[in-house]
Amino acid sequence: KAGVTQTPRYLIKTRGQQVTLSCSPISGHRSVSWYQQTPGQGLQFLFEYFSETQRNKGNFPGRFSGRQFSNSRSEMNVSTLELGDSALYLCASSLEVSNYGYTFGSGTRLTVV
Amino acid sequence: DAKTTQPTSMDCAEGRAANLPCNHSTISGNEYVYWYRQIHSQGPQYIIHGLKNNETNEMASLIITEDRKSSTLILPHATLRDTAVYYCIVRVAGVDFGNEKLTFGTGTRLTIIP
Repeated sequence: KAGVTQTPRYLIKTRGQQVTLSCSPISGHRSVSWYQQTPGQGLQFLFEYFSETQRNKGNFPGRFSGRQFSNSRSEMNVSTLELGDSALYLCASSLEVSNYGYTFGSGTRLTVV
Repeated sequence: DAKTTQPTSMDCAEGRAANLPCNHSTISGNEYVYWYRQIHSQGPQYIIHGLKNNETNEMASLIITEDRKSSTLILPHATLRDTAVYYCIVRVAGVDFGNEKLTFGTGTRLTIIP
């Protein structure tokens, strides 16, 4: 079956712009989580959605937001981009109840110039 | 979630068993030990998880000490494709509403030497 699909794979934006990243989870997975990965901070949890509701949020400013649609697809948005937002953004999906952890996509590499 | 401690890096010869240790001395009774790995420029990949019994799957074995304060991931016959960063994570298994996240540490960078 298809894995977690993230689009686009690469993105270059200018400071002050905003960006929207997309994630399509594995079919049947209803939970979608987002992570940011940078060389300095490693992998950090952004937020998690289930049935279109945000259930958990990491310690990121309000410029980072997300949403989930009725088909479980999710988007995350970053407004007023800063140079420090340059990172690999990873999406992970999981079943509602699963002991087998999360399946990650390959990520979107965002570069802010 | 309990904190984990792993060595920063390790080398292993191709074809040998790679043993990756992890300390989780503050683990609580309902927390599982999960292992993920991340190959360069890809998303993390689930490997294995366990509570207190040793576990084995097609990828690896997980040995958890009796006091559960440490564990070892074993890749029985390492190949060059096993070169990656390996993360040991402890968390409650399944759904724990309000805690659906993975807390990644810095992991162990495993390099398989030809």
